[in-house]
Amino acid sequence: DSGVTQTPKHLITATGQRVTLRCSPRSGDLSVYWYQQSLDQGLQFLIQYYNGEERAKGNILERFSAQQFPDLHSELNLSSLELGDSALYFCASSVAIGRAMDTQYFGPGTRLTVL
Amino acid sequence: GEDVEQSLFLSVREGDSSVINCTYTDSSSTYLYWYKQEPGAGLQLLTYIFSNMDMKQDQRLTVLLNKKDKHLSLRIADTQTGDSAIYFCAEPYGQNFVFGPGTRLSVLP
Repeated sequence: DSGVTQTPKHLITATGQRVTLRCSPRSGDLSVYWYQQSLDQGLQFLIQYYNGEERAKGNILERFSAQQFPDLHSELNLSSLELGDSALYFCASSVAIGRAMDTQYFGPGTRLTVL
Repeated sequence: GEDVEQSLFLSVREGDSSVINCTYTDSSSTYLYWYKQEPGAGLQLLTYIFSNMDMKQDQRLTVLLNKKDKHLSLRIADTQTGDSAIYFCAEPYGQNFVFGPGTRLSVLP
C-alpha cells in the first residue's frame, strides 16, 4: 500500500459525459501528479500540482482539467468524453516539487471506460 | 523531449534470471528508477540508482548503470511467478519523470 488513495476504482460512462476522479496523496506529500495509461500510448504525464498550484503540464487535453485543494487532495475533471479517453488514470504523490530524489508514489488507479 | 526505451516483452522460466534493459537520453539525470506494475495495480517503486554508481544490489535485484551508453538494466535473480508484471524504467525530466513503455515479464513454470 503506497498510501495514495484514488476513487472511484472503476467508472463506466457514455460519450459526451463529464466525470471527476479523486486522489488523496500520502500524508505529508505536497505534490500530486496525474497520469493516463492506455494500451497504445503507455504512461503519459498529464499535470502536476504542488501545494495547491499548478507546476507542470504534460499531454493534457483542453477537455481535461485538475485542481488541488487546501487539504492537498486533487481532482481530475474529464469532460466531453470520447471513446479514446478510456484508460487507467493514476495519481502519484511526492514530498516536494519533483526534484530527482523525490520519489513518486502511485495510487491504485481509476479505470475509466467510455461507451 | 526525453525518450526512454525498453523492449516490450520478456519471457523466462521460473528460477532463471531475468534481465530487463532500458536506454535513456538525459545524461544529466541524477537518479534512475525502476517501477513494477502488477496486473490491476498501480506502479510500485522497486529500486533506484544514483548516477555516480555503476551497480546497486538489493536482495534478488541488481541494477547496472552504464552512463557512457545511457543504459540501465534490472536483473532479477531466481525469478518467481510473483515477479510477473510490467517493469518501467524512469528518469527525471524537469519537475517530473519520463517513463519507458514498460517491459512485460512473463514467468513460465
